[in-house]
Amino acid sequence: QKEVEQNSGPLSVPEGAIASLNCTYSDRGSQSFFWYRQYSGKSPELIMSIYSNGDKEDGRFTAQLNKASQYVSLLIRDSQPSDSATYLCAVNRRLSGGGADGLTFGKGTHLIIQP
Amino acid sequence: GAGVSQTPSNKVTEKGKYVELRCDPISGHTALYWYRQSLGQGPEFLIYFQGTGAADDSGLPNDRFFAVRPEGSVSTLKIQRTERGDSAMYLCASSLIRGPRANTEAFFGQGTRLTVV
Repeated sequence: QKEVEQNSGPLSVPEGAIASLNCTYSDRGSQSFFWYRQYSGKSPELIMSIYSNGDKEDGRFTAQLNKASQYVSLLIRDSQPSDSATYLCAVNRRLSGGGADGLTFGKGTHLIIQP
Repeated sequence: GAGVSQTPSNKVTEKGKYVELRCDPISGHTALYWYRQSLGQGPEFLIYFQGTGAADDSGLPNDRFFAVRPEGSVSTLKIQRTERGDSAMYLCASSLIRGPRANTEAFFGQGTRLTVV
């Protein structure tokens, strides 16, 4: 069973600080990695994708990927109360015949930004 | 439409009844996915359509669940003999491109919250 693991939290971070969210995955052949933000009662919203080892920055968000360690992280700089949400890590489902479809999600980390 | 549309937004049904959940993807999106999300969990993959055919239905939990996409656009998820354990948020997503990077373009609908009483 391919798995994606996240600490469920809650993770409490003061406003203006850096929030660091972590994720590990079990399928060493995974190629595509995503972070989704989900507000309570709403559907997931894609905020970052990353495919290669290293860092990828987009505004206040930085995704980090280390395939050797099977580790993905998301940093949120200058955290705002509006960043309070559940953050889902997702990895592409890899088929034995090649290609991929759909995503395997972690359970999510509940992030609280304290004003 | 502007985004993925799911109807109804909420559905309450009695145990043992049959329900249909509808997903209208973004126009032109060929790939369509159904997920199920229980409280406190991440979305769980159910089925993937590429065009009209179910390319992967390995996530459907049992034979009470079935989905169709007859014209390659709108999809319907069908649940027979509903059980209380089927209560969850059912999410639909669509994307334009198939393959490892398809999910960059994948957009979720707002979901249907199903409650079986």
